[in-house]
Amino acid sequence: NAGVTQTPKFQVLKTGQSMTLQCAQDMNHEYMSWYRQDPGMGLRLIHYSVGAGITDQGEVPNGYNVSRSTTEDFPLRLLSAAPSQTSVYFCASSRTGGRGYTFGSGTRLTVV
Amino acid sequence: AQSVTQPDIHITVSEGASLELRCNYSYGATPYLFWYVQSPGQGLQLLLKYFSGDTLVQGIKGFEAEFKRSQSSFNLRKPSVHWSDAAEYFCAVGNTGTASKLTFGTGTRLQVTL
Repeated sequence: NAGVTQTPKFQVLKTGQSMTLQCAQDMNHEYMSWYRQDPGMGLRLIHYSVGAGITDQGEVPNGYNVSRSTTEDFPLRLLSAAPSQTSVYFCASSRTGGRGYTFGSGTRLTVV
Repeated sequence: AQSVTQPDIHITVSEGASLELRCNYSYGATPYLFWYVQSPGQGLQLLLKYFSGDTLVQGIKGFEAEFKRSQSSFNLRKPSVHWSDAAEYFCAVGNTGTASKLTFGTGTRLQVTL
């Protein structure tokens, strides 16, 4: 049981480049979320999904897109990377929110 | 809007001493409340959660937390800290009904001296 798998673990982008952060879970969880973690700011919700085909914005959605075509996958797309998007990104999933989320190990993104 | 405050940015305790990490939340209804721990370079691990029932909840690694509605608090405690408990601790509140969205505090970094 792999849990929540995030790829890549590290990435360096140039300003203006696009990329997709991958997230997959094998626990048949309905809920999935993307967070970014910045020093002194805790984790902030970017986008979340309560099931395949259903997504919604979180606290800091600008500059990011998501889609949820399957239960297992929840990719996060950066359309035009900016230095302000330098951060550690975490994907998480949950069967039901009240049980708490299981987190992936994170993707450290640097935009230069 | 829901919010979480962790007033202590950094706490240092001696191994074997007791620990209490503070968490205050702002939410209109009965919230889902969580504590997570993050070791350096790692993801977050769920320590414990509360939604209803007994206000004192037990979690993994010997941690417990007490929900106090009158104080809007959900403080994390451990009777005797081990050096391996050194990490960053996050309190979070989930929206009522589904807890599909979590709002995190800014975290408390725990240092344990031997």
